[in-house]
Amino acid sequence: EVQLVESGGGLVQPGGSLRLSCAASGFTVSSNWMSWVRQAPGEGLAWVANIKPDGSEKYYVDSVKGRFTLSRDNAKNSLYLQMNSLRAEDTAVYYCVREKTSGGGMDVWGQGTTVTVSS
Amino acid sequence: SYELTQPPSVSVSPGQTASITCSGDKLGDKYASWYRQKPGQSPVLVIYQDTKRPSGIPERFSGSNSGKTATLTISGTQAMDEADYYCQAWDSKVFGGGTKLTVL
Repeated sequence: EVQLVESGGGLVQPGGSLRLSCAASGFTVSSNWMSWVRQAPGEGLAWVANIKPDGSEKYYVDSVKGRFTLSRDNAKNSLYLQMNSLRAEDTAVYYCVREKTSGGGMDVWGQGTTVTVSS
Repeated sequence: SYELTQPPSVSVSPGQTASITCSGDKLGDKYASWYRQKPGQSPVLVIYQDTKRPSGIPERFSGSNSGKTATLTISGTQAMDEADYYCQAWDSKVFGGGTKLTVL
């Protein structure tokens, strides 16, 4: 079964750091573009970042550039999102997502992990 | 930055056709995708590359994209289709604000 399982969310103070993990099963993360998408409480979906299959390209939404870093461990078939200098507006459910091999859509979503930035 | 506009809500009677629009500058020149999200659940892809349905998505879901507007159409709407629906412009990965579909 194709599955993504996120972990690492929690409560952190403004300015703090968290590292989110995403473990994949049923497919290889290095075979697809992989993304993180977040959803603030009561709000819509917002794309955060993605990484090319070979890891050579990474893209970030402007609001997280310089603060968030995407990485991948092929041996563990896992994806990571290192989040530094966290702000209240980063509070959201973070989803790990697989992009379709053919492009044009995000076809596998994890259950999400909740990040709360508050003092 | 690129923006997509969706109506906040759409209502439809059971068995009727629901249409949800998504507008953005030259959206027809890009691929559009659509996602369904029910309360407390993760989003599910229902349309990709403007018109294609992933396996497992009923045939009553269809999509179109031309000019400035992409449209998700649900024919013979069922109570189980009640959810939030989000469009996405694929090149920028930007999402629309979402539309709450009510079946009443």
